[in-house]
Amino acid sequence: ILNVEQSPQSLHVQEGDSTNFTCSFPSSNFYALHWYRWETAKSPEALFVMTLNGDEKKKGRISATLNTKEGYSYLYIKGSQPEDSATYLCAFRPDTGFQKLVFGTGTRLLVSP
Amino acid sequence: DAGVTQSPTHLIKTRGQQVTLRCSPKSGHDTVSWYQQALGQGPQFIFQYYEEEERQRGNFPDRFSGHQFPNYSSELNVNALLLGDSALYLCASSSADWIPHTEAFFGQGTRLTVV
Repeated sequence: ILNVEQSPQSLHVQEGDSTNFTCSFPSSNFYALHWYRWETAKSPEALFVMTLNGDEKKKGRISATLNTKEGYSYLYIKGSQPEDSATYLCAFRPDTGFQKLVFGTGTRLLVSP
Repeated sequence: DAGVTQSPTHLIKTRGQQVTLRCSPKSGHDTVSWYQQALGQGPQFIFQYYEEEERQRGNFPDRFSGHQFPNYSSELNVNALLLGDSALYLCASSSADWIPHTEAFFGQGTRLTVV
């Protein structure tokens, strides 16, 4: 059974704070690791797709790192803004030849002004 | 490009009834996957359709079935609804040659409530 875990479950920070979340996934049969940002009543929005050990990706104030050997990825948000409030999901894509994604339960971020 | 569209957005059904949810994939995509997100959980993979056939299935009972049409749109059918089927159902589209660094696109979901 493939298990993807995210921590913390929820986070409440003040505007301007920097924060980070963790995604743990199986270290075997790795194909890709996806991060999604999901605002209420909207579609999950793809942030990053990470494929190589040591990958670092950045989009504006958000960045992510990947360690496939130990099975974890970190998502960082620098200088959080209220519009960053959302649930951040990670999804592990195993190397099974198919396109199934295995999701964590997400980290719910609330940024107060 | 309308992206991935799902209908309806909300639905209320009674236990024992049957329901059909619909999904139109993003333009250029030929593969549709369905996910169920129950309260407090991450999305769980139900199944995936490509070339009008079910290509892979998650741990869901046979009450969950699907279909893909020649235009790549897809339906998810759930028979004999149980209270536990209440969830958000997400559709994701991708292309069959989904290489590692490309993403899957999701719809907004259909919120199903079984009473």
